[in-house]
Amino acid sequence: DTGVSQDPRHKITKRGQNVTFRCDPISEHNRLYWYRQTLGQGPEFLTYFQNEAQLEKSRLLSDRFSAERPKGSFSTLEIQRTEQGDSAMYLCASSYGGGETGEAFFGQGTRLTVV
Amino acid sequence: AQSVTQLGSHVSVSEGALVLLRCNYSSSVPPYLFWYVQYPNQGLQLLLKYTSAATLVKGINGFEAEFKKSETSFHLTKPSAHMSDAAEYFCAVRGTNTGNQFYFGTGTSLTVIP
Repeated sequence: DTGVSQDPRHKITKRGQNVTFRCDPISEHNRLYWYRQTLGQGPEFLTYFQNEAQLEKSRLLSDRFSAERPKGSFSTLEIQRTEQGDSAMYLCASSYGGGETGEAFFGQGTRLTVV
Repeated sequence: AQSVTQLGSHVSVSEGALVLLRCNYSSSVPPYLFWYVQYPNQGLQLLLKYTSAATLVKGINGFEAEFKKSETSFHLTKPSAHMSDAAEYFCAVRGTNTGNQFYFGTGTSLTVIP
C-alpha cells in the first residue's frame, strides 16, 4: 500500500493555459474524490467517482473543469483556460466501499499557481 | 444537510499544556465525525473518527475526542502538547448522500510555544 499519490506536486501556469493533474488512489479503493483547498480554508468538495462513474459534481466545478477516471483506477482533473482564482491546492482522496463510517485517505495534493 | 463549525481559527498553547480544539456539528441524522491534521504543504492525515461505537474516541499521537450529542460537539483534546503537534486541524462530517463526501470545517491552526 503506497497511499494516494498525486502528480505533479506543484504547478505554475500562465492564465489561460490548460492544466491536468493526476491522482492514483489506493489500489483496492473504489471511491475517489477531488477537493480544492484555498489558503486558510478547509477542503471543498469538487467531484466524486465510484469506480469509473462520476456520480456527483459540486456547483464549484465550473464547465472549465473536467474529471475522468477511465478504468476505475487513476483519475485526472483538467482545468481549461485557467484563471487566477483557480490558484489553490487540489487534493485527491480515496476510500473503500459504501457507507459513511470509513475514512478517506488523502494524497499530498497538487498546488496550482496561476500567474 | 451536514456541516461542522470550528471555533477559533488560531490556538496557541505552551509545550506541555492541554490542547483543546473545538468542533460543533449540525446534522439531521446521527453524524459520522472525523478529525484530520494537515502539516504545511501536505495532504490530510486522519487523527480519529467517531462512528457511534463509543462516545470517547482515541486517536493517534495521543489525541482523543468526545462526542456529546446534547452539545452537538466533537472537541479534540490532548493532555500535553508537543512541538510536533503544531499544524492545521480540520473537523469533518461525512454526508449521507450518494457519495458520502466529507464536509470540512475551516480549520484551526495550532501553535505550540516552547
